Amino acid sequence: EAGVAQSPRYKIIEKRQSVAFWCNPISGHATLYWYQQILGQGPKLLIQFQNNGVVDDSQLPKDRFSAERLKGVDSTLKIQPAKLEDSAVYLCASSPDRGLETQYFGPGTRLLVL
Amino acid sequence: AQSVTQPDIHITVSEGASLELRCNYSYGATPYLFWYVQSPGQGLQLLLKYFSGDTLVQGIKGFEAEFKRSQSSFNLRKPSVHWSDAAEYFCAVGTPPGGSNYKLTFGKGTLLTVNP
Repeated sequence: EAGVAQSPRYKIIEKRQSVAFWCNPISGHATLYWYQQILGQGPKLLIQFQNNGVVDDSQLPKDRFSAERLKGVDSTLKIQPAKLEDSAVYLCASSPDRGLETQYFGPGTRLLVL
Repeated sequence: AQSVTQPDIHITVSEGASLELRCNYSYGATPYLFWYVQSPGQGLQLLLKYFSGDTLVQGIKGFEAEFKRSQSSFNLRKPSVHWSDAAEYFCAVGTPPGGSNYKLTFGKGTLLTVNP
């Protein structure tokens, strides 16, 4: 079974530029999560999708961050414009449902904003 | 709101020694608790989880954790550490299902170094 795929693995941009990250969850998983992991901290949930609907985006900075999950499969997370404090690892995870199922994490995208 | 505290930022042990990583949680009801491990450049992998029942749970790679409600703790243990266990370990608390959303809140992590 293929795991959660993410691309790119690394990205370096200048502040005020835009950037997009892509995630392909495990086949058949209904729930998809985007986390932000700042250096020295644990992952923080940004947004959670159930199929193609948003379940929780309470911690997503909506003035600059946006995310979508087309057709309930792949997802894209965008930052526009980026700030220095957005430098972090962006992790995508998926689970079969939004209950107590294990979340499976991708390798992450490491973003550096200069 | 739920929260997780991992008091130890960095722990160093010798290979073959025993290990205990501490985790304290704050949550108003019965918690759902997890331990994840993150190797450099990798995503998080689930080691074990506690939902209910036996308070001592077994996980992968020889790890176990014990839920102690009276101490609000969920410490991770391993009797003999291997060099490949060097990684960062995250404790997390999950809100139970039934609400509009189910989410994990992670601690800040404990970095484990293993000396040969």
